[in-house]
Amino acid sequence: AQSVTQPDIHITVSEGASLELRCNYSYGATPYLFWYVQSPGQGLQLLLKYFSGDTLVQGIKGFEAEFKRSQSSFNLRKPSVHWSDAAEYFCAVGRTSYDKVIFGPGTSLSVIP
Amino acid sequence: DAGVIQSPRHEVTEMGQEVTLRCKPISGHNSLFWYRQTMMRGLELLIYFNNNVPIDDSGMPEDRFSAKMPNASFSTLKIQPSEPRDSAVYFCASSIDDILGLAGGQNTGELFFGEGSRLTVL
Repeated sequence: AQSVTQPDIHITVSEGASLELRCNYSYGATPYLFWYVQSPGQGLQLLLKYFSGDTLVQGIKGFEAEFKRSQSSFNLRKPSVHWSDAAEYFCAVGRTSYDKVIFGPGTSLSVIP
Repeated sequence: DAGVIQSPRHEVTEMGQEVTLRCKPISGHNSLFWYRQTMMRGLELLIYFNNNVPIDDSGMPEDRFSAKMPNASFSTLKIQPSEPRDSAVYFCASSIDDILGLAGGQNTGELFFGEGSRLTVL
């Protein structure tokens, strides 16, 4: 069965510092991978997705993620964090682009001014 | 453009009462998903529809939960009778899915979420 783990429950970074959020998945084939962001009291918004091709994908708001098959990872990165990036971040995996998507437990990001 | 619209945003009810949550997906989207979010269990997929047909309801917790999609622009999630453990935020999401390849097989893979319905069962 497919699953997603996000080892860090909560991360605090200073504004302007770099960020990396970890995501590991378990799946037998190449999965469809996603990162979503959730601001307080809001629904989730897609940051980026990986289906195939270039393993480094660019998303909105300056985020990028790299798919590493050998490590079963899909880590999210941002070179310089802004205070507005404080939110909950979810990694997700799907069997196809349309099949049910399974979400990880989420990582809560706090940004120190 | 209007996004996914959910109602009510907040619902407080007493144990044993019937609860109906409503969702209007984005026009033109043909897949609809119901998720439940709690601190303990995170985001759980309850059920999803494609072209108004339920595809997978394996996440529906028990017979007290039911979901319908009578047409492409409306879906309901009903809990009867409700219990305190049903307290959660319920999200509806929609997407464009060309499962049959009728539109060239282009699936966006992006779920568009509503703002959620926060349910409290006392």
